[in-house]
Amino acid sequence: RKEVEQDPGPFNVPEGATVAFNCTYSNSASQSFFWYRQDCRKEPKLLMSVYSSGNEDGRFTAQLNRASQYISLLIRDSKLSDSATYLCVVNGGKGSARQLTFGSGTQLTVLP
Amino acid sequence: DGGITQSPKYLFRKEGQNVTLSCEQNLNHDAMYWYRQDPGQGLRLIYYSQIVNDFQKGDIAEGYSVSREKKESFPLTVTSAQKNPTAFYLCASSISGDVTEKLFFGSGTQLSVL
Repeated sequence: RKEVEQDPGPFNVPEGATVAFNCTYSNSASQSFFWYRQDCRKEPKLLMSVYSSGNEDGRFTAQLNRASQYISLLIRDSKLSDSATYLCVVNGGKGSARQLTFGSGTQLTVLP
Repeated sequence: DGGITQSPKYLFRKEGQNVTLSCEQNLNHDAMYWYRQDPGQGLRLIYYSQIVNDFQKGDIAEGYSVSREKKESFPLTVTSAQKNPTAFYLCASSISGDVTEKLFFGSGTQLSVL
């Protein structure tokens, strides 16, 4: 089983739709969770950290389910500019950022 | 503006040749990283440095070398021992290397083999 698994997609949704991605992780000792956004052939950029209680930033909501070992990202009212690949990032249970594991990404295309 | 600068954007390597990818940051970050990204795969850690003159191997260090002589600079050399170097290479930095910190990435270097 991969340490971090994501559905690669692609997810093609119409503008204004709500879309959700899940990401499962294998290490139950993981402490830190993130969603990064990556545009085609560009660098990843932090979208949001994921907190135990769940957190929201505008149209984006992130949730953590420790019992089932997955995190989710919900995007409401999708915009054309949301089209990108979304990377799930999980640490391996230790304190150093060198232990971060990146998922292979979920590709989203928002259609007009 | 503060940030990370990678160069060149595109690089071509001949068989048996060593090439060096540049990474410079003016964010005053202690920790710097090199990742490799292949199509359809997640980023994989090549090397990591948390302080000047010290660095550690990541998951796929074979065929690569780095140096950290200055805080701002963390160049990556892809040696001839790396048999499959074609990939997108990303340099990143964070304040101290703690797992809770945001990673700042450079814009990447696409390396291809001639």
